Amino acid sequence: QVQLVQSGAEVRKPGASLKVSCKASGYIFTSYHIHWVRQAPGQGLEWMGIINPSRGNTRYAKKFQGRVTMTRDTSTNTVSMELSSLRSEDTAVYFCARDMVSYQLQLSYFDLWGQGTLVTVSS
Amino acid sequence: EIVLTQSPATLSLSPGERATLSCRANESVYSYLAWYQQKPGQAPRLLIYDASTRAAGIPERFSGSGSGTDFTLTISSLEPEDFAVYYCQQRGDWPFGPGTKVDFK
Repeated sequence: QVQLVQSGAEVRKPGASLKVSCKASGYIFTSYHIHWVRQAPGQGLEWMGIINPSRGNTRYAKKFQGRVTMTRDTSTNTVSMELSSLRSEDTAVYFCARDMVSYQLQLSYFDLWGQGTLVTVSS
Repeated sequence: EIVLTQSPATLSLSPGERATLSCRANESVYSYLAWYQQKPGQAPRLLIYDASTRAAGIPERFSGSGSGTDFTLTISSLEPEDFAVYYCQQRGDWPFGPGTKVDFK
């Protein structure tokens, strides 16, 4: 069925990096942009950036520029999000989500979500 | 930069009651607004997009209205499974409002 399946929970120390993956199935992988959205404990949703799996081009939220890298692997229908220089404030659940319209890296609506990956940053 | 606010922060209601949630933008987003439902431990679920179009599989008791800067999500008669947090979202780079929690009175 149509789904996004994310990698499992991670624990990192401050200053480290992490990579979360998101595997798409049930639809044409290269036809839909993928976003990353995070949610700190008890908090709201925060948009991090978007990748076009067809071309690999990306656009990041200003807050994360320089610290985030989004990539894709068309052979495995997987997108990944790497976040570096982790701090305690990066403790959150990270979601990948599909863009409904997928036009020129613009946000539209998020019509399919992964199950979320809990990332804990603690010394 | 467009910023969304939602009110109230918490809405305490009983099953069968009508829920009216508000989302306001600091400048016009035309009709480019969505609503999501999120339950504890789950990913958000798209309910409404383009202000008033129900997403696939969403029950008719959910309806959206508004345009420009003021939007409303209405749940006509709350079912037990509707108690959750609701977020509005616009199509800019600060997309999400802070959310409204609908809980049991």
